[in-house]
Order: sequence, then structure tokens, then C-alpha cells
Amino acid sequence: EDQVTQSPEALRLQEGESSSLNCSYTVSGLRGLFWYRQDPGKGPEFLFTLYSAGEEKEKERLKATLTKKESFLHITAPKPEDSATYLCAVQETSGTYKYIFGTGTRLKVLA
Amino acid sequence: DADVTQTPRNRITKTGKRIMLECSQTKGHDRMYWYRQDPGLGLRLIYYSFDVKDINKGEISDGYSVSRQAQAKFSLSLESAIPNQTALYFCATSDPRLDTQYFGPGTRLTVL
Repeated sequence: EDQVTQSPEALRLQEGESSSLNCSYTVSGLRGLFWYRQDPGKGPEFLFTLYSAGEEKEKERLKATLTKKESFLHITAPKPEDSATYLCAVQETSGTYKYIFGTGTRLKVLA
Repeated sequence: DADVTQTPRNRITKTGKRIMLECSQTKGHDRMYWYRQDPGLGLRLIYYSFDVKDINKGEISDGYSVSRQAQAKFSLSLESAIPNQTALYFCATSDPRLDTQYFGPGTRLTVL
């Protein structure tokens, strides 16, 4: 069964304390892997798309990487404004529509 | 102005009532989606549409219907609302060239 699992479910960091979020996936064929940020009461906001193993994308303090079985979202020297839920989603090659979302990691960065 | 808008933002209704949630977009995308989000379950696809004449069921379509009135408008209806339809509902659009989905701000629906 196709699925996406994110870990940890929740993470508390001190400001400046770097860490990584994990997204592991099981799909028949990967078309793309997406990272989104979701703030409370808002819709998910697009961060990155990764298409092939070895690919990396960066944006400010965030860096996303991809292997054949998982993706990591590295957060370097986080700030309180990085606090949010981070969602991972995969799109399969077998369908033109199907996105499978993980349940997210709730990140809290303490000042 | 936001590219994807949803109305209403919050709605409280009673069991058995008919409810319509509306979505409009100015991104010019043909593809539109309706999701619901529940704690611990993530986003689940209800319906999707690739153009005005194309409507498809997602993984949890039972109890819901949709209407694609124009390229920019996609509405979700609950014909007879029940309490387990209490959730956050999100509309999204996508550009098939990039696959990225763009989400609206969400509608918080409570069915009593």
C-alpha cells in the first residue's frame, strides 16, 4: 500500500538548535516529493519539490534532500518564526492526480 | 489579493442540513481539488477536476458532491451533513507543468 510517514510527530527546539525532519515513503513510482509549511488556521504553503534521488533544494534556513526511500528537511539555526507544521507529500508516476500526504511534523522553536 | 479563496471561512451547521463550500482562484489553473484535514489523518482527497467538464472522485467522496462552474470556481456540497464531516476543508489548484499544489486558506466546518 502506498503511504507516507513523517517523523517525529512533534519537535521542540531551542532557537539556533539545528535538526532534521523525516519523510519516508512507499510508492510504486515517484513522480515528485513535495514539502509544505502549514501555520495554524491557514492552508499549506509550498516550500520545495524534489524529483530524483540525490536532489537537494534550499531556501533560507531550510534544506530538503531526497533518497530512494525518504526525504529530510534540515532546519539550520531555526528561529521562532519557523514554528509550524511541516507536511510532506508524494505524487505517483502511475496517476496524474494522486498526491499522498503525510500527517506532518509540528515544529516549535523556543526563543 | 489571495490567489485561492474559500468561503465561508467558518461554518457551524446542524445534522441533516445541506452545505456548500465555495472556492475561487485567480491563478489560471485548470486543475482544482477539494481536501479535508483531520487531526492525525493528514490531508485526504475528496474530489478533483482537471477542467470544467472533468470531475473525479477522490478517496473519500461518499457524502459529498462537487460542481465546477467555471475554470476559476469549484464548489463542494454536503447534501445532508453529519457530525463526522466536522473538519477543515481545503481547496487547491495546480499547474500540470509543475505539479505543485496551491492551497486556499481553508474552511472550518462544524456539524452539530
